[in-house]
Parts: sequence; C-alpha cells; structure tokens
Amino acid sequence: DGGITQSPKYLFRKEGQNVTLSCEQNLNHDAMYWYRQDPGQGLRLIYYSQIVNDFQKGDIAEGYSVSREKKESFPLTVTSAQKNPTAFYLCASRLGQGHNSPLHFGNGTRLTVT
Amino acid sequence: GDSVTQMEGPVTLSEEAFLTINCTYTATGYPSLFWYVQYPGEGLQLLLKATKADDKGSNKGFEATYRKETTSFHLEKGSVQVSDSAVYFCALVSGGSYIPTFGRGTSLIVHP
Repeated sequence: DGGITQSPKYLFRKEGQNVTLSCEQNLNHDAMYWYRQDPGQGLRLIYYSQIVNDFQKGDIAEGYSVSREKKESFPLTVTSAQKNPTAFYLCASRLGQGHNSPLHFGNGTRLTVT
Repeated sequence: GDSVTQMEGPVTLSEEAFLTINCTYTATGYPSLFWYVQYPGEGLQLLLKATKADDKGSNKGFEATYRKETTSFHLEKGSVQVSDSAVYFCALVSGGSYIPTFGRGTSLIVHP
C-alpha cells in the first residue's frame, strides 16, 4: 500500500545538536510539506516543496532546513538555532497542483530536546 | 489571506449524542474544503471533502455541506461513538494555491 513513512517515531537529542527527521512517500506525489504541531496551536507550516530540487519557506522556517533531491524524500533538519525544537513534527504530501487533492500525512515524529 | 475558524474545544458528549463542530472560512475564489481527523499519537487522516458549493462530503457517518452563502463547512454526525474521540481539523485550499490553510482543531471526547 502507498503511504508516507516518518522515522523515527520518537527522537531524543541534547540541546545544541542538529537532528534530521526522515520523510519518505511512495504515492508519486509532487508536493511535500513539513508541519509542526504544539499542544493547542494546531498545525504550523515549516517548509514545503512543489517539485524536486525546489522548496519554499513556510510560516516558521527559522532554525530549520530541508532538501528535496528525490521526489520520494523530503528530510527536515532541526538545527541548534531553533529556540524551542521540542514538538510533534508531521510530514505530508499532495498530488499535483489542483486544489481538490487532499493532504496525506505520515504518523509523525515526536522530538524531545533536553 | 485565507483563514479557517473552528469552534473551541473540547467538545464533550455522551455516546449516541448528535455532534456538530462548526467551521467557517474566508478565502479568495472558490476553495476546496476538507475535514481531517487525528487520533492520539498519529498523523491526520482525511475524513471528507467538498470541492464546490452545495456539495456534501460524507464518510463513516460524518457529513459536511459546503455553504458558500454562509462560508461554512460544519461537521455533523447523528450518533457518536467512543471511538470517535479525536481532534478534528477543518481546512481549505484556494484555487491556484499549494498551501492548505488549517483551523486550530477541535478536540472531541465521547463518554460511554
């Protein structure tokens, strides 16, 4: 079955370390997204990519970086510059450019930085 | 810009009660509208969608009707179950946009 795989499910890091969250999809979707979810704050867009080798900043990109070298993969790096990195991170993808197509989400990575 | 407003939660109901979660929106043009559900510790799943005015989306006993005149897309279910306990998100995508806009989510708690 096609879907989006995020790994790992739980991730623990020390303050000051960079960490990379994996997101892989086999849905042949063009667009991919990273969201951050904090309790009571809904979803906030970090980065998105419409096509391979291209990506744009979302609302809260500071302290994060991404790459899109392959259609299937959209890893997110949480750098030491991110002030409050502890959160639940969700990756999503979407087919094509039409506004009718829904997002497909992975099951998330819960990052804890101490 | 686009925005989605959902009713504040949590919504607490007894099993078999009627559910309404309100969602209103502002958008340019004629957006597509979506409801997503998130169970604890998981990602979001598409629950239903509607792509034009007066369309009704439905799935698993949930329904929502795209009301252009009131810019609303309220989620309803006639008889909720304990297993419906989750967070529900209303969302839209405007024509020509790659960026979905989400509401803040409404937590539903159903007691036996």
